[in-house]
Amino acid sequence: EIVLTQSPGTLSLSPGERATLSCRASQSLSSTYLGWYQQKPGQAPRLLIYGASSRATGIPDRFSGSGSGTDFTLTISRLEPEDFAVYYCQQYGGSPYTFGQGTKLEIK
Amino acid sequence: QVQLVESGGGVVQPGRSLRLSCAASGFIFSTYAMHWVRQAPGKGLEWVALISYDGTNKYYADSVKGRFTISRDNSQNTVYLLMNSLRAEDTALYYCARTVPFDYWGQGTLVTVSS
Repeated sequence: EIVLTQSPGTLSLSPGERATLSCRASQSLSSTYLGWYQQKPGQAPRLLIYGASSRATGIPDRFSGSGSGTDFTLTISRLEPEDFAVYYCQQYGGSPYTFGQGTKLEIK
Repeated sequence: QVQLVESGGGVVQPGRSLRLSCAASGFIFSTYAMHWVRQAPGKGLEWVALISYDGTNKYYADSVKGRFTISRDNSQNTVYLLMNSLRAEDTALYYCARTVPFDYWGQGTLVTVSS
């Protein structure tokens, strides 16, 4: 089983700042199978990034993903008020389709 | 538009069973694998089970293997999760999601296991 570890657990930033979220895998995985999701309170998760760096339909270009091997990053270039949420990475290369424990992005 | 609507959640005693349903619309259901994902109160996301587009392949998280069964009815555009021998730690909001990556999610159905 591939374990995904996200850091930091909580990130406190202000609107307009840049956010960098990390996801580290316990073993190397193909970037084809790494995704990022955003979840706001009371809502289902929403797919942001798939294939490590491709934005899902309708996702603003301030969201970008990068990385390979065991280290992946989600970057939000300039935070908007609606971006404060919990973010999860996930690997979907095969069963079990594990998620990271999440990073909470909160307003400073 | 794509819609996934879960139902069947509720309060159930430990050891009992429950069957969840997820009704799909807005896409060709029979061509997509489907998943169940759960989220315990205040916790993160946990993948639960996968069923292939035609129902021939099924995979489970270790935490539910042998207790939960995923199935689908392509004539009814519905995927199911039969949960047996329920435990307190199965208490969660259960989502169905389409294929990988999970591009569409339902709104979830809450399962509470309590005596």
